[in-house]
Amino acid sequence: AQSVTQLDSQVPVFEEAPVELRCNYSSSVSVYLFWYVQYPNQGLQLLLKYLSGSTLVKGINGFEAEFNKSQTSFHLRKPSVHISDTAEYFCAVGKGTNAGKSTFGDGTTLTVKP
Amino acid sequence: DAMVIQNPRYQVTQFGKPVTLSCSQTLNHNVMYWYQQKSSQAPKLLFHYYDKDFNNEADTPDNFQSRRPNTSFCFLDIRSPGLGDAAMYLCATSSPGQGSTEAFFGQGTRLTVV
Repeated sequence: AQSVTQLDSQVPVFEEAPVELRCNYSSSVSVYLFWYVQYPNQGLQLLLKYLSGSTLVKGINGFEAEFNKSQTSFHLRKPSVHISDTAEYFCAVGKGTNAGKSTFGDGTTLTVKP
Repeated sequence: DAMVIQNPRYQVTQFGKPVTLSCSQTLNHNVMYWYQQKSSQAPKLLFHYYDKDFNNEADTPDNFQSRRPNTSFCFLDIRSPGLGDAAMYLCATSSPGQGSTEAFFGQGTRLTVV
């Protein structure tokens, strides 16, 4: 069985500050890892994904994440946030190639303040 | 450019009155999913179609049904909506057979039950 824990339910940060959203997972098999962003009343949009290879993954909107197998973590980072980054962020772990059957974390609300 | 389209974006239905939510896709993906997302919670997979094969999650209530008449369209039917069924419903697609390792989401339908 797989599970995902997003360690912070809410993260407030000032504009242009760096941010890290934390995600830990558990799985008995190799996994695919994803970060999605959800703006109010919108669907989920993929930010980035880790499948294999380089542990540092770069995504859209200046986000990046680092896969750490020993710590079973996949933390999302951005060096300088904008007001427009205010949204809900979901970490997800997929098993095999059926990506839509991913297990999602409970989400982290990122609020960027001016 | 819209790839996964959900209609309507907002739906109000009466308690106990059957309602159907619609999803269409232009990606020609063979897998389509329906998720339920309640306020401030992670998306929860209800079921998915792999081609014509229907796959129900074990804890999906019988009140929820789905139809997929062709590759492009998938419907979510709620036979007798209760107040607890008020949520955002997300449709997603993927194509594992084509090496796609991510799911593409629609913008969701927000269902209100009155």
